[in-house]
Amino acid sequence: ILNVEQSPQSLHVQEGDSTNFTCSFPSSNFYALHWYRWETAKSPEALFVMTLNGDEKKKGRISATLNTKEGYSYLYIKGSQPEDSATYLCASSYSGGGADGLTFGKGTHLIIQP
Amino acid sequence: EPEVTQTPSHQVTQMGQEVILRCVPISNHLYFYWYRQILGQKVEFLVSFYNNEISEKSEIFDDQFSVERPDGSNFTLKIRSTKLEDSAMYFCASNPQGQNTEAFFGQGTRLTVV
Repeated sequence: ILNVEQSPQSLHVQEGDSTNFTCSFPSSNFYALHWYRWETAKSPEALFVMTLNGDEKKKGRISATLNTKEGYSYLYIKGSQPEDSATYLCASSYSGGGADGLTFGKGTHLIIQP
Repeated sequence: EPEVTQTPSHQVTQMGQEVILRCVPISNHLYFYWYRQILGQKVEFLVSFYNNEISEKSEIFDDQFSVERPDGSNFTLKIRSTKLEDSAMYFCASNPQGQNTEAFFGQGTRLTVV
């Protein structure tokens, strides 16, 4: 059974501070790592998809890195804003990619305090 | 911006009844998925669909479940003889080229079995 773990489970951060959280995943037969941002009552929104070891991706104040050999990814948020409050999900896929389903972590619930 | 739409947003059904959850994926996408999240647990993969057939299914997706793409636009999940433990948020997702591309999720259907 594949197990994707995220830590911490929840996080309170002061507005303006930077923060990061972790996703760890089985590295055997790894294909792709996804990060999603999920606000209450909305659809999960894709942030990044990464496939190569050493990948780094950036979107505005949010960035992510990937280490496929040791099976972890970090998500970084610089200068947190209240609108960053959400649950951040990571998910991995394996083997052939294609139509394989994603295996999700439980998410990191981020609360930005003004 | 194109989006995945799901109907209904909330469905309450009696145990033993059949339900059909409906999804309209993004029109030029090729891969379609159903996931579910039982309250307090991880998002779990149910099934993927490509080229008009099931591509992969999880252990959860047993004979009680079926999927269809009846008319080239809708993608449905049928749950026969619902059980209390089928109560969950069900998400439809689609992506254009498989799991090395970002998936677009609908807002979900909350199914409550009573």
